[in-house]
Amino acid sequence: DGGITQSPKYLFRKEGQNVTLSCEQNLNHDAMYWYRQDPGQGLRLIYYSQIVNDFQKGDIAEGYSVSREKKESFPLTVTSAQKNPTAFYLCASKNYNNEQFFGPGTRLTVL
Amino acid sequence: SQELEQSPQSLIVQEGKNLTINCTSSKTLYGLYWYKQKYGEGLIFLMMLQKGGEEKSHEKITAKLDEKKQQSSLHITASQPSHAGIYLCGADLGAQKLVFGQGTRLTINP
Repeated sequence: DGGITQSPKYLFRKEGQNVTLSCEQNLNHDAMYWYRQDPGQGLRLIYYSQIVNDFQKGDIAEGYSVSREKKESFPLTVTSAQKNPTAFYLCASKNYNNEQFFGPGTRLTVL
Repeated sequence: SQELEQSPQSLIVQEGKNLTINCTSSKTLYGLYWYKQKYGEGLIFLMMLQKGGEEKSHEKITAKLDEKKQQSSLHITASQPSHAGIYLCGADLGAQKLVFGQGTRLTINP
């Protein structure tokens, strides 16, 4: 099956810990994105990558880090510097028609 | 995002009725995206509009982008329980990234 996968579906973190969220796509898309969604709000862009080995900060990058070593993978690390990390995290990729598709999401809860 | 206003924030309609959701920007839209989301799940791509005056349909859902490319509407005809969920519009404002509206929560009453 072609698509975007995110893991884990649910993640619990203790305060002070770093955690990494996985995002993989087999759609051969160059561009990939990470968004954060809070209850009752739209999506806010954390980081995006237009091509392998390159990425840019989005609107709320503080406390997060990413890497793009492979075209298929765009992992997001939520560091201890992120003060309010509890949220629903969504990964997306974009095709050559500029259509952006989303993964199923990871719900992160800080205990 | 305040760059993109979506209305209404919530909508309750009787099954079988028609409904419209609006998405408005103060800036020119290079692309307008409509998504549907079930609670706790990812976004399902519905349609993308890029040209002024463009209209697209998928089953009973129709989306239009106005001529000025600053407003889009999503219209559902003869609503069904399967249409319930959160509808989100996303806009490409020319910076290689999307900004999103706050979403419209749609409830369909039988």
